[in-house]
Amino acid sequence: GAVVSQHPSWVICKSGTSVKIECRSLDFQATTMFWYRQFPKQSLMLMATSNEGSKATYEQGVEKDKFLINHASLTLSTLTVTSAHPEDSSFYICSVPGLVRADTQYFGPGTRLTVL
Amino acid sequence: KQEVTQIPAALSVPEGENLVLNCSFTDSAIYNLQWFRQDPGKGLTSLLLIQSSQREQTSGRLNASLDKSSGRSTLYIAASQPGDSATYLCAVRQETSGSRLTFGEGTQLTVNP
Repeated sequence: GAVVSQHPSWVICKSGTSVKIECRSLDFQATTMFWYRQFPKQSLMLMATSNEGSKATYEQGVEKDKFLINHASLTLSTLTVTSAHPEDSSFYICSVPGLVRADTQYFGPGTRLTVL
Repeated sequence: KQEVTQIPAALSVPEGENLVLNCSFTDSAIYNLQWFRQDPGKGLTSLLLIQSSQREQTSGRLNASLDKSSGRSTLYIAASQPGDSATYLCAVRQETSGSRLTFGEGTQLTVNP
């Protein structure tokens, strides 16, 4: 069964609105979660590392005020795209490091965001 | 900065063929390398993980090799099937990057019946 879930699986919104995406670790607690973005026919690019109990760590070039990350609990991280614009349209995927095997990661099914 | 390149970008083969997907990386100081499968509009499924000390890993019809010193990995798929059609991504984890992964752009595979 799925180890990581994401909600919603897809969302369409108007430009200027904010969208919240949830990532849940279903089988175990996770102090760290990762958020990736994937543009069409491109690879996954790490956006930020979500840390339970502390601030997220953002990759270079990712605006932390635009992409708000909240690691609310040991099983839930949320990514909020604030004041979304069409160029934010992308596939957002989260991942959770393995508990037993920390050298592997479990990926969520992804969320397709389309900003009109 | 680590860069991961995958060749070819796309591949179309008839069912039953054996095929090889290539992955190269610029910084050989990796902790491990992982091959993933991604179906359209879906998340990633881990196929094989090779530790930096290993030369290859096998799972069913899949075999992945790693030459860390030359910065290369290959994914060999034997007796391909239409159900193998997907995008295959390789990703490396650096020795110093914690759990962070750097991905290649993927090879889009189509196996025709």
